[in-house]
Amino acid sequence: EDQVTQSPEALRLQEGESSSLNCSYTVSGLRGLFWYRQDPGKGPEFLFTLYSAGEEKEKERLKATLTKKESFLHITAPKPEDSATYLCAVLHDDKLIFGTGTRLQVFP
Amino acid sequence: NAGVTQTPKFRILKIGQSMTLQCTQDMNHNYMYWYRQDPGMGLKLIYYSVGAGITDKGEVPNGYNVSRSTTEDFPLRLELAAPSQTSVYFCASSYWDRVYWYGYTFGSGTRLTVV
Repeated sequence: EDQVTQSPEALRLQEGESSSLNCSYTVSGLRGLFWYRQDPGKGPEFLFTLYSAGEEKEKERLKATLTKKESFLHITAPKPEDSATYLCAVLHDDKLIFGTGTRLQVFP
Repeated sequence: NAGVTQTPKFRILKIGQSMTLQCTQDMNHNYMYWYRQDPGMGLKLIYYSVGAGITDKGEVPNGYNVSRSTTEDFPLRLELAAPSQTSVYFCASSYWDRVYWYGYTFGSGTRLTVV
């Protein structure tokens, strides 16, 4: 069965304390891996798409990497405005399969 | 360029009532999707469409129906609402050029409560 597992479920960081979020997947024929940010009461906001193992993408304090079985979202020197739920999803048969997300809190 | 627009934003239904959640996109995306999001459960796919006139079931289609008469619109119909359908509903759209996926843009959601 296709599965996407994110860890940890929740993460509390002090401002400036770098860390990584994990997304592991068991999907045959991966066509892409997506990272989204979701703020309370809003729809997911697109961050990155990764297509092949070894690929990396960066945006401000965020960097996403991909291996054959998992993806990492690295957050460097986070700020309180980075607090949100980060969702990982894999593209399989034209459909996105989502993990349950990592709820990140960054406090001053 | 509005992206993906969902209406209404909030709705309270009584058990057994019916309603239609509206979704419109103005990006000429060929693919459209309906997801529901329950607390701690992630997003689950209800129905999707690969183009006008074509729809298919997702992971949790029971109790719902969809239609896709135009590229822009993808309404979700709830018949005989049940408390288990209390959730936040998101519509999304995307475009595939046979190599890369573009978009996968989400609307702002409809929060539905069935009492």
